[in-house]
Amino acid sequence: KAGVTQTPRYLIKTRGQQVTLSCSPISGHRSVSWYQQTPGQGLQFLFEYFSETQRNKGNFPGRFSGRQFSNSRSEMNVSTLELGDSALYLCASRETMNTEAFFGQGTRLTVV
Amino acid sequence: GEDVEQSLFLSVREGDSSVINCTYTDSSSTYLYWYKQEPGAGLQLLTYIFSNMDMKQDQRLTVLLNKKDKHLSLRIADTQTGDSAIYFCAEREAGNMLTFGGGTRLMVKP
Repeated sequence: KAGVTQTPRYLIKTRGQQVTLSCSPISGHRSVSWYQQTPGQGLQFLFEYFSETQRNKGNFPGRFSGRQFSNSRSEMNVSTLELGDSALYLCASRETMNTEAFFGQGTRLTVV
Repeated sequence: GEDVEQSLFLSVREGDSSVINCTYTDSSSTYLYWYKQEPGAGLQLLTYIFSNMDMKQDQRLTVLLNKKDKHLSLRIADTQTGDSAIYFCAEREAGNMLTFGGGTRLMVKP
């Protein structure tokens, strides 16, 4: 089985712009979670989707949003980018919400 | 939220055993995980343990769980240079999201 695929791998954006990141989970997995990793804050949970519905949400501002499609692929969007949004964004795939999570390679976002 | 804590750094010689420690605070955690992250890469799931277990062994990896003290450890036997990476422990909270520790950087000297 193919692993979790995140695109793009690298992205450079300017402050004030918006960005959309994509995640394709492992085939058959219906849960997709997003995490932000920064040197200062470590790994922080953004949100989780299961069967196209957001099930959990972390403590991030409303500029961070996401969605999940019927094929379980997920996108996350960050609007009005700030320098502090520069991070590695990791997507995790689970078969159900009660099973182990497998991570993608991440998308490295740099905001300048 | 709940806190998961790890020491920042561990250095060992090739062939020695490595022990990475983690403490957590959420007594309702059902599963505890160990992930490995190499430079520029995502997180690789190494192993996990259910909260009603004390120990789990998987080849060179041994996980010990002391639920009373909320202490988790990962022992890597016969550590190799390829084991050099950052290791994260994580607990699965009641809402099923993962809370991660800050990571322990393991350096293996030849």
